[in-house]
Amino acid sequence: GEEVAQTPKHLVRGEGQKAKLYCAPIKGHSYVFWYQQVLKNEFKFLISFQNENVFDETGMPKERFSAKCLPNSPCSLEIQATKLEDSAVYFCASSLDLEKLFFGSGTQLSVL
Amino acid sequence: EDQVTQSPEALRLQEGESSSLNCSYTVSGLRGLFWYRQDPGKGPEFLFTLYSAGEEKEKERLKATLTKKESFLHITAPKPEDSATYLCAVQEISGAGSYQLTFGKGTKLSVIP
Repeated sequence: GEEVAQTPKHLVRGEGQKAKLYCAPIKGHSYVFWYQQVLKNEFKFLISFQNENVFDETGMPKERFSAKCLPNSPCSLEIQATKLEDSAVYFCASSLDLEKLFFGSGTQLSVL
Repeated sequence: EDQVTQSPEALRLQEGESSSLNCSYTVSGLRGLFWYRQDPGKGPEFLFTLYSAGEEKEKERLKATLTKKESFLHITAPKPEDSATYLCAVQEISGAGSYQLTFGKGTKLSVIP
């Protein structure tokens, strides 16, 4: 597709529940990035992929967060045992060249 | 210490009143500096990439410039549809080969008709 598609738009979870977010990158883009936006404008890098391989995972909280990009499937970001501080908007972006990033509209995760 | 600092946090302009947004950065080696526009409820939309001091890029009413310590986004004769949050981000040269972006907190621009 011509846009990065993120689903769902909104996700509500009770503390301790699992959350799974999906991202379909633009067709032909081999790089996928996940960012977390908290407190309106604080973006935090989580992880990036080159095709199905992890490219950079230096931002990932390893204990509860995991991510995958498998062939012919949307990429996913999973949070096990969500905590209140995981409430944020999670953005996925795809790129052809690691420079110009195209962002999706985000998934708003609310942990109650 | 923040690597990317944007000012002002918020800016109200009358339609047609030109102004500039500032982004100052501290990195050991700059691979690129990026400007994005973000509308409410949407993801950031790419505007410009600048790579070296002295570089300038223009798009419609926007012009981005870069020095060794800061970048400016100049808005000439803004219109209400230019209202958005403008984000600056840097990509640092790193031995680990990371291409992650470090974002500033943005400038929320409101253009009043």
